[in-house]
Amino acid sequence: EAQVTQNPRYLITVTGKKLTVTCSQNMNHEYMSWYRQDPGLGLRQIYYSMNVEVTDKGDVPEGYKVSRKEKRNFPLILESPSPNQTSLYFCASSLGRGTYEQYFGPGTRLTVT
Amino acid sequence: QQQVKQSPQSLIVQKGGISIINCAYENTAFDYFPWYQQFPGKGPALLIAIRPDVSEKKEGRFTISFNKSAKQFSLHIMDSQPGDSATYFCAASMDGQNFVFGPGTRLSVLP
Repeated sequence: EAQVTQNPRYLITVTGKKLTVTCSQNMNHEYMSWYRQDPGLGLRQIYYSMNVEVTDKGDVPEGYKVSRKEKRNFPLILESPSPNQTSLYFCASSLGRGTYEQYFGPGTRLTVT
Repeated sequence: QQQVKQSPQSLIVQKGGISIINCAYENTAFDYFPWYQQFPGKGPALLIAIRPDVSEKKEGRFTISFNKSAKQFSLHIMDSQPGDSATYFCAASMDGQNFVFGPGTRLSVLP
């Protein structure tokens, strides 16, 4: 089944404790992206990647890191999480090369205390 | 410049009625305008999308109307059904890389 998977689905952590949220897609997509969703703000793009080893900042990159060492994986790293990063996070992928339809993962709900 | 405005924030429609959600943008470099549907506990799913070279696109009961000169686009859901009850997001993108989303509209279709 073609899909985007994220792990973990739920995470409660404390301020300053480094964490990684994994994202993987099995559709051989070139483009991958991370979003955060907050009430009343919609989805805001954190980082995106057009291909392996190519990443770019979205609208809200502060406090986040990403890497794209393999085509199928695009982990989101919070080196020192803070309470304002409590949010619902979504990973998405698309074929790229002029095809913009994004497929979203199921989401990761992160709480930072 | 990067903002996408969306209205209304919430919408209640009777079964069989027409649901209309509106969005407006500023950046004329946007060349792709998708609408996403999101059910509680799920990720957004692409519903329908349009490019700025056409003024309307229809897929089943869903239609996007696009007004390039006014920098506005809207989603029309004909014959709305209770199963359409969800949150809808409009978005805009340049070259399919950077995406800007509207704040969302919560649609409730009453049986």
